[in-house]
Amino acid sequence: SAVISQKPSRDICQRGTSLTIQCQVDSQVTMMFWYRQQPGQSLTLIATANQGSEATYESGFVIDKFPISRPNLTFSTLTVSNMSPEDSSIYLCSVEGGNYGYTFGSGTRLTVV
Amino acid sequence: ILNVEQSPQSLHVQEGDSTNFTCSFPSSNFYALHWYRWETAKSPEALFVMTLNGDEKKKGRISATLNTKEGYSYLYIKGSQPEDSATYLCAPGGNTGKLIFGQGTTLQVKP
Repeated sequence: SAVISQKPSRDICQRGTSLTIQCQVDSQVTMMFWYRQQPGQSLTLIATANQGSEATYESGFVIDKFPISRPNLTFSTLTVSNMSPEDSSIYLCSVEGGNYGYTFGSGTRLTVV
Repeated sequence: ILNVEQSPQSLHVQEGDSTNFTCSFPSSNFYALHWYRWETAKSPEALFVMTLNGDEKKKGRISATLNTKEGYSYLYIKGSQPEDSATYLCAPGGNTGKLIFGQGTTLQVKP
């Protein structure tokens, strides 16, 4: 299975600012997925990031709020823009591969104050 | 919208107890069902991917069954240990790569 390094592991940010989360994979992967888990909620897919094309966003998520970069087959970033307390969540990246389907990063625990 | 429900939401058991939880999902257009174990501050750990109706998979003391016709899966833990304490997530997924997660069952095993 792929190994994913996700940074930062946690952060506390002021409202109105932006935070960029990075995921580095130890092998080349076609698709990378970004998820969010708000307190008490399900893990929800934000978008799918393909190298060389714009990310595909799920209903309720927009590029202006969650811009994604995918410069190569081993790296992706998710930016949470103009943050509000409602953006306080755990953010996870994920890639397909391995015997059990999908591998996840260790998550970024974001608190917006 | 795919509706995935997990029950119970939380569970407290004593060390040595066996336990089980349920994942319910729409049975139409089924492709695969994933189970994950998620400990605080760690990555979700894949437990099983199940595709066939009637399938049963086992990993140590943890096993899972799948009924695709009625849309449910059970996860069993035999002889729970404190290190089993975690949130257990299920997610039906299609061949597009999208996983739709339930809210999870949080298990606390008391020594």
